[in-house]
Amino acid sequence: DAGVIQSPRHEVTEMGQEVTLRCKPISGHDYLFWYRQTMMRGLELLIYFNNNVPIDDSGMPEDRFSAKMPNASFSTLKIQPSEPRDSAVYFCASTPFERGTDTQYFGPGTRLTVL
Amino acid sequence: LAKTTQPISMDSYEGQEVNITCSHNNIATNDYITWYQQFPSQGPRFIIQGYKTKVTNEVASLFIPADRKSSTLSLPRVSLSDTAVYYCLVAGNMLTFGGGTRLMVKP
Repeated sequence: DAGVIQSPRHEVTEMGQEVTLRCKPISGHDYLFWYRQTMMRGLELLIYFNNNVPIDDSGMPEDRFSAKMPNASFSTLKIQPSEPRDSAVYFCASTPFERGTDTQYFGPGTRLTVL
Repeated sequence: LAKTTQPISMDSYEGQEVNITCSHNNIATNDYITWYQQFPSQGPRFIIQGYKTKVTNEVASLFIPADRKSSTLSLPRVSLSDTAVYYCLVAGNMLTFGGGTRLMVKP
């Protein structure tokens, strides 16, 4: 298995633009997580899905952020409009069964820079 | 919400044993404790997981006292390649990563 795949690996955009981050979880994994990592706030859970259904989005910072999982093999995290404070590394992770108790497999991350 | 607290950084030398402690005073009954390792420009990687007492695998040991309000990751005989950030995760109803401990292993 190729592991969790994220694209793009790097994204540079200007303030006000829409940004879409993509994630392909490991096949057969029922849970998918989106995290954001910054120096100031560390690793924050934004949202997670179980069987393509959003379960907890309490970590999503504001309405400019949205996430979807249209099928078991694809998820997107969208920021519209983007702001400089959204600059961070965004990780996607997946796990096969029990959320939290099973190992999470992280993707390589997308480094987002908003100018 | 089980908040976790870890030391911000630690230094060690090659061949020494390193112990990193995570405090999680509000851990819930169904919470597991998991440790991850993260290298620069990579996503975190699973090291070890436990619920109580002691767990050991080929890379580390995890010690959890009876009250489960803390846990200690033990890395035996560290090498330069163990230089990384180590995260403590308390998972159950909520996922809470600690702030991470930056371990620097010196020759």
